[in-house]
This record gives sequence, structure tokens and C-alpha cells, in this order.
Amino acid sequence: EVQLVESGGGLVQPGGSLRLSCAASGFTFSSYEMNWVRQGPGKGLEWVSYISSSGSTIYYADSVKGRFTISRDNAKNSLYLQMDSLRAEDTAVYYCARVGISGTTDFDYWGQGTLVTVSS
Amino acid sequence: QSVLTQPPSASGTPGQRVPIACSGSSSNIGSNTVNWYQQLPGTAPKLLIYSNNQRPSGVPDRFSGSKSGTSASLAISGLQSEDEAAYYCAAWDDSLKGAVFGGGTQLTVL
Repeated sequence: EVQLVESGGGLVQPGGSLRLSCAASGFTFSSYEMNWVRQGPGKGLEWVSYISSSGSTIYYADSVKGRFTISRDNAKNSLYLQMDSLRAEDTAVYYCARVGISGTTDFDYWGQGTLVTVSS
Repeated sequence: QSVLTQPPSASGTPGQRVPIACSGSSSNIGSNTVNWYQQLPGTAPKLLIYSNNQRPSGVPDRFSGSKSGTSASLAISGLQSEDEAAYYCAAWDDSLKGAVFGGGTQLTVL
């Protein structure tokens, strides 16, 4: 059974840092592209970042470019999101999502999400 | 302001057919496939339609998708109370080099 489990969320002050993790199981993690998607309180879905299966290709939303860093460790079946210079508007539930067979935005499996709250 | 445009709300009575539109541009829907997600309250999104009109295993055939030019549509036929949820369209945007979502449509079953 495919499982994605996020962790690392919490309360952080503006300007602070946080590192999110996504533990994958039930599939060959190294063969799949991955993404982070977030959802602010009462808001819609917002794509954050993409990483290819090997980690060689990475994309970011303009709203997080230069502040967030996506990475993966295929040996540990894990996806990460390093978030620096956090702002109040980064407050959201962060989901990791696997890209399915048809590629691009075919996010076929999602984690349960981890809540990040940026507040003083 | 979302890159893809959806109506914020839709409604229907049980058994009805309800369409949900998603409008984009040549750099996203016009040149890439569209996917649809269903999000029930308090849960993670679930893939409902991929590659414009394909249903993942387990998704009822009451749900169908289509695409024409720079617009796409999700149709739910035989509406049921459990279909009450938020629905999102998504596509890759070649200009932004990123995924873009619609703002979401909250479906109410009357």
C-alpha cells in the first residue's frame, strides 16, 4: 500500500526556519517524481515545489523561490522541504504528493499533511 | 488570484448532473493535460480525473472530464450527498514552469 507521511510542522516565528519530511513506503520511491503542495487556512491548493526522481530537476513557485529548498534521499525513501525566512503567509497545511504515470500534475497519492504556523 | 479560473460554488439536487468549468490559457490547459481533485472536509485531496478524462481505479463513472482548447470541465452525474466537497482543476504551466491550480469549486448537494 502506498503511504506518504509528512512530519516536521509546527509553530515558528516570522523569519524562522523549519524542515519538513515526507516518508514514503509501498512503492519504489526512487522511480517517482514528487511535489509539495500547500493549503492556507480556508484557502485553495497552492503548488510549492517539484523534484524529479533523481533530484536533478527542481522547480519552485515564485512565492517561495529563494527561501524554500526541496530535496530527496532515495536511499531513505524520503522527501524534504527546507523552509527559511518564513512569513505569516506561509502558514498552511503542507502536503507531499507523488506524480503518477501520466506525469506533470497527475498527483496520484497525497500524504495527510503537516501544519505549519508562522506567528509571533 | 488563481491562474486557472473556476466558479467558487456549484450546487445540485440528488440525481442531477452538475458541470464544473475550469478556464486557463495557452501556456497551461492549452498545452498540457488537466487533472481534477476532490477534497472532502478535513481530508487530503484525492485524484479524481487525470489526463483530461481518465478515471483512476475506484473512481465511479459518474465522474467525467473533458478538455477543449484552453478550458476543461468536470461533470458529476447522478449527484449523491457524498459528492459534497471542494473540487480543484490543475495543469502544468509551461511559462511559469510550475503546476497551477484553480481556486476550487465548493459543491453543495441540496
